Amino acid sequence: EPEVTQTPSHQVTQMGQEVILRCVPISNHLYFYWYRQILGQKVEFLVSFYNNEISEKSEIFDDQFSVERPDGSNFTLKIRSTKLEDSAMYFCASSETLAGGGETQYFGPGTRLLVL
Amino acid sequence: AQSVTQPDIHITVSEGASLELRCNYSYGATPYLFWYVQSPGQGLQLLLKYFSGDTLVQGIKGFEAEFKRSQSSFNLRKPSVHWSDAAEYFCAVRHTGRRALTFGSGTRLQVQP
Repeated sequence: EPEVTQTPSHQVTQMGQEVILRCVPISNHLYFYWYRQILGQKVEFLVSFYNNEISEKSEIFDDQFSVERPDGSNFTLKIRSTKLEDSAMYFCASSETLAGGGETQYFGPGTRLLVL
Repeated sequence: AQSVTQPDIHITVSEGASLELRCNYSYGATPYLFWYVQSPGQGLQLLLKYFSGDTLVQGIKGFEAEFKRSQSSFNLRKPSVHWSDAAEYFCAVRHTGRRALTFGSGTRLQVQP
């Protein structure tokens, strides 16, 4: 069964450093997403991406964040200058497009980011 | 703004007992409704979803959920819990015109032998 994959599984970085989290969505999916889950808190939507542009983003997704589909398979989340509060589990997801909007988002296993 | 409430943070049941996890949403129209499960170290796996039609939906692993419009609820049920069902369960909703999922805070299920 096809699945979303994410690398690395864990990332430790120093405050102020740039990090890039990588995801390989399911191959025939056209919508891609990033979510995050701060320890002990809810899973929160960051951004959705379709046709090489952001289709929707949350208030969390400020200028420190960017997303890119650098090639036909990868989808990345870049945090330009990490802050302590960026420490979280970051989930990538992808979905197909269905008439009526009834598609399902399939999630990857996550990347745990720790900012020191 | 839409919100999702899972009133039970932690539930413990005995193996073989029945289970019901509660989910209420706050939104003017009927959104798309989902239940996901997260096992330790794993991602979020879809159990089931409701878009329209029959209000009782069947999912994987023997789970089902019932949408009740009058109560704005989408409770998850299983008639007989197995030890492998121990995990965290998340209810989520999506506005029909948006992509973002809004998640509840989750219910951690513990299964006693």
